Amino acid sequence: QLQLQESGPGLVKPSETLSLTCIVSGGSISSNTHHWNWIRQPPGKGLEWIGSIYYSGSMYYNPSLKSRVTMSVDTSKNQVVLNLSSVTAADTAVYYCASHQWEWWFDPWGPGTLVTVSS
Amino acid sequence: DIVMTQSPDSLAVSLGERATINCKSSQSVSYSSNNKNYLAWYQQKPGQSPKLLIYWASTRESGVPDRFSGSGSGTDFTLTISSLQAEDVAVYYCQQYYNVPLTFGGGTKVEIK
Repeated sequence: QLQLQESGPGLVKPSETLSLTCIVSGGSISSNTHHWNWIRQPPGKGLEWIGSIYYSGSMYYNPSLKSRVTMSVDTSKNQVVLNLSSVTAADTAVYYCASHQWEWWFDPWGPGTLVTVSS
Repeated sequence: DIVMTQSPDSLAVSLGERATINCKSSQSVSYSSNNKNYLAWYQQKPGQSPKLLIYWASTRESGVPDRFSGSGSGTDFTLTISSLQAEDVAVYYCQQYYNVPLTFGGGTKVEIK
């Protein structure tokens, strides 16, 4: 059964780069059936899709964040990496890793990791 | 971007009663070529990540109780909980996967009256 687990620093300073890792277990990140996504949720608010990446490297980003987002896949470690540059307090959120297959509904999700942007 | 608007923001329903949540998209999320609606529903319990309930607007994910049902087409969709149970207290989100960027509704909080 596919399982996802996010990890990374819980506190990032303004203007720095937020870097998170999603470790995939129970399946291969090189699967030709799965795409890997990042979604975030500010405290007490709704969900925002950040972007999606396939093991081959093809990716889609939310235009609202595209200029600051980089996603990559590390097949040797079976993990996905999210980098978000020039962060501000508005980037404070729980960041989720989630998978989709041929159609773009998300299942499963990781438990999420809270990232706070503060000096 | 397709804007997803949910209503109400919150609702309180007695145990065993029906809960109805609406989701409206700013443009159609249906493809006439396959007659499918690109709409999913999720349940998020406090402190947990969202859980997929329904996709294709009306297909229940495996293991989801049959008191949950989805309906609608085009731009107007509904999630119905036919007989509310205590464990259904959560925030419910709709999501369109018709095109990128994928977008979610603002959420509807369901509580016990």
